[in-house]
Amino acid sequence: SQTIHQWPATLVQPVGSPLSLECTVEGTSNPNLYWYRQAAGRGLQLLFYSVGIGQISSEVPQNLSASRPQDRQFILSSKKLLLSDSGFYLCAWSVDSAFFGQGTRLTVV
Amino acid sequence: EDKVVQSPLSLVVHEGDTVTLNCSYEVTNFRSLLWYKQEKKAPTFLFMLTSSGIEKKSGRLSSILDKKELFSILNITATQTGDSAIYLCAVEAGGTGNQFYFGTGTSLTVIP
Repeated sequence: SQTIHQWPATLVQPVGSPLSLECTVEGTSNPNLYWYRQAAGRGLQLLFYSVGIGQISSEVPQNLSASRPQDRQFILSSKKLLLSDSGFYLCAWSVDSAFFGQGTRLTVV
Repeated sequence: EDKVVQSPLSLVVHEGDTVTLNCSYEVTNFRSLLWYKQEKKAPTFLFMLTSSGIEKKSGRLSSILDKKELFSILNITATQTGDSAIYLCAVEAGGTGNQFYFGTGTSLTVIP
């Protein structure tokens, strides 16, 4: 069966520090992968999606970047975090519907 | 601009009440509409709708899609406190990457 792993679950980082959130999918090949952010009081905002290794599309200009070094691995990064980067980040993969990882609660202080 | 709008933003009901949550959308290359329930962390999948007028049911939850009027409703009958959650509507758009556009969600609180 397909599963998706996302870590860490919670993270507190100082402003200006780097970020790396990792997401891996098991039980499927060549999935579409997504990073979403859910800020307080707002819906899920699509940040990046990927249809294959090295193929990244960005939905909104921001302080974040994404990479897909392997078929089932999707990484969300930042070189220098801002306070506004705080939020709940979700990784997802899709076949017919989107299936989510458990999310990462990021607090930038 | 593709968008998904949910209403109401929040709702407080008593146990046993029936609620209807609304989702309207404007998305090019529509493929499907999905409903999710989000409690503490990641959303959990409820329904996927692709055809108009065909009701999907799961226990006390049901949902239907109107592709002509571009909306969907999620009904919950005989609500329980365990139904308290944020209910998210998402629309899948076809094309490269199959993007999912989410509404802001409806926060449902069921009071004993």
